[in-house]
Amino acid sequence: DAGITQSPRHKVTETGTPVTLRCHQTENHRYMYWYRQDPGHGLRLIHYSYGVKDTDKGEVSDGYSVSRSKTEDFLLTLESATSSQTSVYFCAISPADGIGGYTFGSGTRLTVV
Amino acid sequence: SQKIEQNSEALNIQEGKTATLTCNYTNYSPAYLQWYRQDPGRGPVFLLLIRENEKEKRKERLKVTFDTTLKQSLFHITASQPADSATYLCAERAGNMLTFGGGTRLMVKP
Repeated sequence: DAGITQSPRHKVTETGTPVTLRCHQTENHRYMYWYRQDPGHGLRLIHYSYGVKDTDKGEVSDGYSVSRSKTEDFLLTLESATSSQTSVYFCAISPADGIGGYTFGSGTRLTVV
Repeated sequence: SQKIEQNSEALNIQEGKTATLTCNYTNYSPAYLQWYRQDPGRGPVFLLLIRENEKEKRKERLKVTFDTTLKQSLFHITASQPADSATYLCAERAGNMLTFGGGTRLMVKP
């Protein structure tokens, strides 16, 4: 999607290894979010950021950490990947005014074997 | 806690008919409800937002209603086309976070 890119698009990793997913935006939006999407559970918020170095937990934050050192980049790290973290991960951005829809990236499909 | 509920069964309709999708919330009335479209392998795309004090919102062939008495939002697509086939997600915005329903898959048959 225009203005937001996720990398990698696909990744297969082994249980116990660390994994970092990257979200990059060119819209200069203050808010950035990481969601995971699983069948039967829909989209669930993992972590979000409301500014550089300002982050907070979402609904399913256990096993995940995030960092935001620049406005344009929001990193999601799985410290020690588990099979339950196999999912599709979406990054989203939102304007600072709190009104209006989110813009989502195209997603990262992560498989933990 | 608040839950956003959508019919998990797919909705199958004939081309040209009006599709109506339902979103129910369980607790407090959200300040905003948003609707998104998601195609397979893609991220959700924002369609419409409706505020608590708005009864109805329109955008081209799309119409959203918000009934605080029924705790429900309805999403209508008039003159549906096969290209409208997708999963439609409802989401509540609380502060700066969105909570999504599970989505309803719409299939429009030619």
